[in-house]
Amino acid sequence: NAGVTQTPKFQVLKTGQSMTLQCAQDMNHNSMYWYRQDPGMGLRLIYYSASEGTTDKGEVPNGYNVSRLNKREFSLRLESAAPSQTSVYFCASSHGDRGTYEQYFGPGTRLTVT
Amino acid sequence: DAKTTQPPSMDCAEGRAANLPCNHSTISGNEYVYWYRQIHSQGPQYIIHGLKNNETNEMASLIITEDRKSSTLILPHATLRDTAVYYCIPSSGNTPLVFGKGTRLSVIA
Repeated sequence: NAGVTQTPKFQVLKTGQSMTLQCAQDMNHNSMYWYRQDPGMGLRLIYYSASEGTTDKGEVPNGYNVSRLNKREFSLRLESAAPSQTSVYFCASSHGDRGTYEQYFGPGTRLTVT
Repeated sequence: DAKTTQPPSMDCAEGRAANLPCNHSTISGNEYVYWYRQIHSQGPQYIIHGLKNNETNEMASLIITEDRKSSTLILPHATLRDTAVYYCIPSSGNTPLVFGKGTRLSVIA
């Protein structure tokens, strides 16, 4: 199993450009999450999807949109990138039922907005 | 969500046990205590979790006080690869994790 995969690994954008970060998991998990981590800080939740077909805002949703494409895939879109969105973005998934709630994280996407 | 207090940093000699404390005095009855770690620049890694009883797995042991207001993560024989930031996170289960600043553990040769 590959676990949680994220693409791309690195990206540089100019202010105002758009892009979509892709996340996929092969563990048949119900729940998926997007976090961001700024230098020297802990992770902050952007959006999450408790199950296929549902999405909810987290702590820092402004400037982002998400799509739960199917059970495996959860994408994060930046419509008009800003320098404040320079960060490392982590996707995670969890089974979400049967008492198995631990989250498994991808390797991250390092985004720089100039 | 319960607030947590962890020391900002700790050192541990290689081969010795690393004991990482966490205070979570406002934890509610249905919240588990989860521990994750983040090795430099990588995604966080799940370590262990517990509700009331002490737990052990291949990575670590978790000791939770009887009143559930604090817990200790024990890495029994720390290695250089255990150098990371460790997060203690109370969570009721299928809810997003709230990360604090964690404890930066440095394992020293």
